[in-house]
Amino acid sequence: GAVVSQHPSWVICKSGTSVKIECRSLDFQATTMFWYRQFPKQSLMLMATSNEGSKATYEQGVEKDKFLINHASLTLSTLTVTSAHPEDSSFYICSAQAGATDTQYFGPGTRLTVL
Amino acid sequence: GESVGLHLPTLSVQEGDNSIINCAYSNSASDYFIWYKQESGKGPQFIIDIRSNMDKRQGQRVTVLLNKTVKHLSLQIAATQPGDSAVYFCAESLYQAGTALIFGKGTTLSVSS
Repeated sequence: GAVVSQHPSWVICKSGTSVKIECRSLDFQATTMFWYRQFPKQSLMLMATSNEGSKATYEQGVEKDKFLINHASLTLSTLTVTSAHPEDSSFYICSAQAGATDTQYFGPGTRLTVL
Repeated sequence: GESVGLHLPTLSVQEGDNSIINCAYSNSASDYFIWYKQESGKGPQFIIDIRSNMDKRQGQRVTVLLNKTVKHLSLQIAATQPGDSAVYFCAESLYQAGTALIFGKGTTLSVSS
């Protein structure tokens, strides 16, 4: 099946710093990538939808200036958490989709801990 | 609002039993449904999907049933194994529009030997 990777797998940072998370589709070209956040024992919550070459569409309540998303190529999307704070600590998961009617494949997730 | 919910937060079964995990969805316009399995600390893993023009679809040891009348989705796992222990999420979307998935709350399946 299709493979989506994320880097890093986990990161610990100090409050106020910025963290970049990469999402790559390894064996297919993803026209759309999605970013989700998951708090412990909760479901996945969609943060934003990213189409290659376009600005990301953010869900209500998600600060676009805090969570910067770049989808520069058909195989790479990045999420940058700017000026991270402890409340941003979470499990961030991306998914990638080749076409609008194709299955979304998920990455393994990135565990962010902000001290 | 548009949301997908699950009836039971936890389900415990014995190895070899059949498991049934249920899901109720609220958006009658949704026409594409997926079941995902998530193990601790990992991303969701695709199990099986179904479109609204079907009411049943079978995979290897898994079957998904869709009842559009009552907006109900279920995942049946045959001969459940310890390796099936995980959190299971159903998700819905609008297929042709390629919309993002809306996830339900999740059911934790525990399989004991």
